[in-house]
Amino acid sequence: EVQLVESGGGLVQPGGSLRLSCAASGFTFSSYWMSWVRQAPGKGLEWVANIKEDGSEKYYVDSVKGRFTISRDNAKSSVYLQMNSLRAEDTAVYYCARYWGGGWFDPWGQGTLVTVSS
Amino acid sequence: DIQMTQSPSSLSASVGDRVTITCRASQSISSYLAWYQKKPGKAPKLLIYAASSLQSGVPSRFSGSGSGTDFTLTISSLQPEDSATYYCQRTYSTPLTFGGGTKVEI
Repeated sequence: EVQLVESGGGLVQPGGSLRLSCAASGFTFSSYWMSWVRQAPGKGLEWVANIKEDGSEKYYVDSVKGRFTISRDNAKSSVYLQMNSLRAEDTAVYYCARYWGGGWFDPWGQGTLVTVSS
Repeated sequence: DIQMTQSPSSLSASVGDRVTITCRASQSISSYLAWYQKKPGKAPKLLIYAASSLQSGVPSRFSGSGSGTDFTLTISSLQPEDSATYYCQRTYSTPLTFGGGTKVEI
């Protein structure tokens, strides 16, 4: 069974940093792009970042460029999201998802909540 | 950037009703569209990809159609478990934008 499990969320002050992790199982992790998608409280879904199978290509939504970094460790079947200079508007549930070449996400993890507040 | 607009933002329907949700792109996206179901506290679930391809395991009462700028998600016979928020998503190239969502209440 394909499974994605996020961890690392929590409460952080504005300007602070947090690193999210996503552990994958049930598929050949190194053969797939991976993504992070977020949902702010009461809001819709927002794509955050993508990373290629070998980590050689990364893409970000404009609002996080220069602050967030996506990375992966294929030996550990894990993808990460390093979040720096966090703002209140980054408060959201962050989902890890497998990204298919056609541009859709499937499956998704259960999410981890990040709260940016003083 | 291409904007995705869904309508209506919410709807209420009865069990057995046929329900249609619309998604409009600000410019042509060919058939590069996916649909998801999102329930509170749960992970989003892929329903439809490439505008009209049903994801494996998804009930056949769900269907998608459209191309270019106008797309629809149809639930042919609404079931109690279909109560959720539905999102369209522009696929294939970044930024991968989602519509604002349509909340379906039974």
